[in-house]
Amino acid sequence: EAGVAQSPRYKIIEKRQSVAFWCNPISGHATLYWYQQILGQGPKLLIQFQNNGVVDDSQLPKDRFSAERLKGVDSTLKIQPAKLEDSAVYLCASSFDLAYEQYFGPGTRLTVT
Amino acid sequence: AQSVTQLGSHVSVSEGALVLLRCNYSSSVPPYLFWYVQYPNQGLQLLLKYTSAATLVKGINGFEAEFKKSETSFHLTKPSAHMSDAAEYFCAVRGSGSARQLTFGSGTQLTVLP
Repeated sequence: EAGVAQSPRYKIIEKRQSVAFWCNPISGHATLYWYQQILGQGPKLLIQFQNNGVVDDSQLPKDRFSAERLKGVDSTLKIQPAKLEDSAVYLCASSFDLAYEQYFGPGTRLTVT
Repeated sequence: AQSVTQLGSHVSVSEGALVLLRCNYSSSVPPYLFWYVQYPNQGLQLLLKYTSAATLVKGINGFEAEFKKSETSFHLTKPSAHMSDAAEYFCAVRGSGSARQLTFGSGTQLTVLP
């Protein structure tokens, strides 16, 4: 069974530029999560989708971050414009449904200079 | 709201020694608790989970954790450390709301010395 795929794995941008991350969850998984993991901290949930609807985006900085999950499968997370404090690893996870085990992708390491 | 606190951001043990990683939780409802492991440049992998059944939970790679309600703890142990156990470990608690989201601790980096 293929795992959660993410791309790119690494990205370096300058502040005020925009960036997008892509996630392909495990086939058949209804729930998709985006986490931000700053160095030295645990992952923090940014947004959670159930199929193509948003379940929780309370910690998403909506002035600069946006995410979508068209057709309830792949998802894209965008940052525009980026700030230095956005430097982090962005993890995507999926689960069969709410409250089921989450499976994590390898993450995208973003460096904002 | 639920939260977890991991005591000790870095733990070093000798190969073959006992591994003990500490986690205390705060929850207004009976918690669901998890331990995840993260190897360098990889995503998180579930080690074990407590879901209100047995208080002693066995996971993968020889790890286990004991839920102690009186101490609000869920410490992770392994009798004998192996070099391959070197990684970062995260404790997490699942929320009781409709979203069932996970809240993670800040992590403990485990170093295994030869």
